[in-house]
Amino acid sequence: DGGITQSPKYLFRKEGQNVTLSCEQNLNHDAMYWYRQDPGQGLRLIYYSQIVNDFQKGDIAEGYSVSREKKESFPLTVTSAQKNPTAFYLCASSMEGIGEAFFGQGTRLTVV
Amino acid sequence: GESVGLHLPTLSVQEGDNSIINCAYSNSASDYFIWYKQESGKGPQFIIDIRSNMDKRQGQRVTVLLNKTVKHLSLQIAATQPGDSAVYFCAENIGGTSYGKLTFGQGTILTVHP
Repeated sequence: DGGITQSPKYLFRKEGQNVTLSCEQNLNHDAMYWYRQDPGQGLRLIYYSQIVNDFQKGDIAEGYSVSREKKESFPLTVTSAQKNPTAFYLCASSMEGIGEAFFGQGTRLTVV
Repeated sequence: GESVGLHLPTLSVQEGDNSIINCAYSNSASDYFIWYKQESGKGPQFIIDIRSNMDKRQGQRVTVLLNKTVKHLSLQIAATQPGDSAVYFCAENIGGTSYGKLTFGQGTILTVHP
């Protein structure tokens, strides 16, 4: 089935450690996105990529890094510089010419 | 800064009633709007979209209305069912890009009582 797969569903991290969240899509979409969601709030854009080997900062990029080596994959690294990393992270993708973004099922990251 | 916002954070209705969820936007340059439904612990699901050259668009049991004069968007759900209980977000596409780079509102929690 076509779609966006995020893994893992739940992730626990110790303070001071970097952690990488996986996002894979088989929809042949050009663009991919990472959003962060905090309880009772909407989604905020972290990073996005419109083409392989290129990506742009979103509204809250500090403390995060990404790569886009393949069209299908857009991993997000939450670094130790992110002061409040506990959140629900959502990956999305979209096709050029289509405004709609398709979302994965999310990864819930908890810093312990 | 300009943003998308919602008037009501919560809405409770009885099964079978019609629901109306509202959204205000402030960026007159936005030309594309989407409503998403998010169930607990899951990613947002597309419900319906509308472009700024339209006033109304209908789907299955849902209708989106766009009033550009007052920068207002609404989602109407007919014959609301318990399975409609979720958080509903409006989102706008800013910057005239053709990609899905969206700005989201806060969300409205819809609770449907049997």
